[in-house]
This record gives sequence, structure tokens and C-alpha cells, in this order.
Amino acid sequence: ELKVEQNPLFLSMQEGKNYTIYCNYSTTSDRLYWYRQDPGKSLESLFVLLSNGAVKQEGRLMASLDTKARLSTLHITAAVHDLSATYFCAVDQAGTALIFGKGTTLSVSS
Amino acid sequence: DAGITQSPRHKVTETGTPVTLRCHQTENHRYMYWYRQDPGHGLRLIHYSYGVKDTDKGEVSDGYSVSRSKTEDFLLTLESATSSQTSVYFCAISSVAVTNTEAFFGQGTRLTVV
Repeated sequence: ELKVEQNPLFLSMQEGKNYTIYCNYSTTSDRLYWYRQDPGKSLESLFVLLSNGAVKQEGRLMASLDTKARLSTLHITAAVHDLSATYFCAVDQAGTALIFGKGTTLSVSS
Repeated sequence: DAGITQSPRHKVTETGTPVTLRCHQTENHRYMYWYRQDPGHGLRLIHYSYGVKDTDKGEVSDGYSVSRSKTEDFLLTLESATSSQTSVYFCAISSVAVTNTEAFFGQGTRLTVV
């Protein structure tokens, strides 16, 4: 059974600082997705990582995938308040469904 | 935005009553999913469908049933609602291309069982 673990679950950051969110998963998969959710809203797709070594960047966020280590990271560079949200990683379960981590709630303050 | 509509968006129901949530898509995607979201648990898969009349259970399927009689509609039924089923329910769709299984989400249904 596929398990997906994110850490930390809560992250309080100062504006301008850097930090990394980690996503570990338990079984082989080479497809991993990052989503963002604002309070009371739906999930918005951020990054699609489809192979070992994949790296995607959008603004202050960069995601990478190491399938051998079963690890993905979401790196935040010079955080700003607008990045405050909950971030989820999700791993493809044998091409049938996505299994989600519990999410990381990020709060950026000045 | 992916064409996914969930209805109703909000519902309050009494314990023991049956409840049906509807997900409608206009994207002609093969796969459809129901997830529930609860604080501290993230999103958990309830059931999914990989085609008309083809469904399978997820990790938290007890107390739920689903049906898919048309490509565009996926129904989730709580046969006898309990307070533990108070949650936000999200429908998602995916084309499940060979290499990309990215899912797109509806706006969610907030269900309260009293």
C-alpha cells in the first residue's frame, strides 16, 4: 500500500527566507504532483514531475523528484506573504489514482 | 479551468439519512475520483472510476457507494449518513495519459451531518 509523508506539516516563515518541504513515499513511482490549496478553496496544480531527476520552477517555488530515494522536495526561495497556503504532494498509485500527503500549511509573515 | 461541477456545494443532513453528491465533467476524461478532506488527514481517496460502470474502492470506502452510468457523471452516495462523514468532499478527474496522471479538482462539497 502506497504511503505518502510530508514534512513539516506546519511551517511558519519570515518573508525573505528560504525553506524546503519534503515528500517521501513508500513504493516505486515516477510520477509525482504538487498542489496548492488556499483556505476554503479547491486544489490547484503546481508542478507535474514525471521522471527521475525532474526539476520544475515557477517563480519562487522549485520542485524536484528523486525516484530512487522516493523523495520530492518543494523549495521556497525568498518567501513572500502570497505564498501562504497549504501545499500537498501526491503520488501516482500504479496509474490508477493519486495518493496524497497530509499537506504542509505554510504561513509567511513579515 | 477543467470543466468540473460538483453539486450541491453545501449540504446539512441528519444522521441516518441517505445523501448523494454529484460530480459532472465536460472534459470527457476517463478517470473520476472522490476524495474527502479532513483536518490532519489531507485528502483521502474514497472511490474512483476508470470508465462507465467501472469503479473501485479507495482507502476510506466504508459507508460510501458510487455509480457511473455516463462518462460525464460520477455519483457518491452515503447510504446512511453518520457524523463521522462530516467533511469536505472533492471530485477530481484525470485523463490518465500514459505518462501523465495529473488530476483536476472540482470546487468541493461541504457536508455536515447533524
